[in-house]
Amino acid sequence: EAQVTQNPRYLITVTGKKLTVTCSQNMNHEYMSWYRQDPGLGLRQIYYSMNVEVTDKGDVPEGYKVSRKEKRNFPLILESPSPNQTSLYFCASSSYGVAQPQHFGDGTRLSIL
Amino acid sequence: GQQLNQSPQSMFIQEGEDVSMNCTSSSIFNTWLWYKQDPGEGPVLLIALYKAGELTSNGRLTAQFGITRKDSFLNISASIPSDVGIYFCAGQLPSSGSARQLTFGSGTQLTVLP
Repeated sequence: EAQVTQNPRYLITVTGKKLTVTCSQNMNHEYMSWYRQDPGLGLRQIYYSMNVEVTDKGDVPEGYKVSRKEKRNFPLILESPSPNQTSLYFCASSSYGVAQPQHFGDGTRLSIL
Repeated sequence: GQQLNQSPQSMFIQEGEDVSMNCTSSSIFNTWLWYKQDPGEGPVLLIALYKAGELTSNGRLTAQFGITRKDSFLNISASIPSDVGIYFCAGQLPSSGSARQLTFGSGTQLTVLP
């Protein structure tokens, strides 16, 4: 089954404690992306990756890092999380082509105390 | 980033009624996508539109890519309880540095009353 898998699904942690949210896709997609979803703001892009070792900033990259060492994985790293990063996070992937729609994971709800 | 104005923010309708929502922007988009998000899940693609004026249906759903390329609407006919959720529009700018960078609207929360 074609899937985008995120882990963990839920996490409560404290300010400053480094955390990583993993994302893996089994569709051999070149493009992967991270979004955060906040009430009334829709989805805002954090980072995206066109292919292995190619990453770029989205609209709200501050406080986040990503890496793309393998095609299937695209982890999101919060080196020093802060309360304003409390949000619902989604990973998405798509093949590279003319406007190929993105497939989303089920989300990771992060609470930073 | 670019802004997409999605309206209405929320809707309460009776089962069986038709629904209409739309997105507008001051910018021209190459692609319009409509997604639905159920509680606790990620957005799922409903309809993709690639050409100005294009009208596409998916079951009871119909969406159109505006002629000006600055807007799109989604209609749902004869609503049923499982239509409940948040509907998002998303657009892709022609000048986007990435062919995959999307701008999302803020969503329309749909509630269907029995």
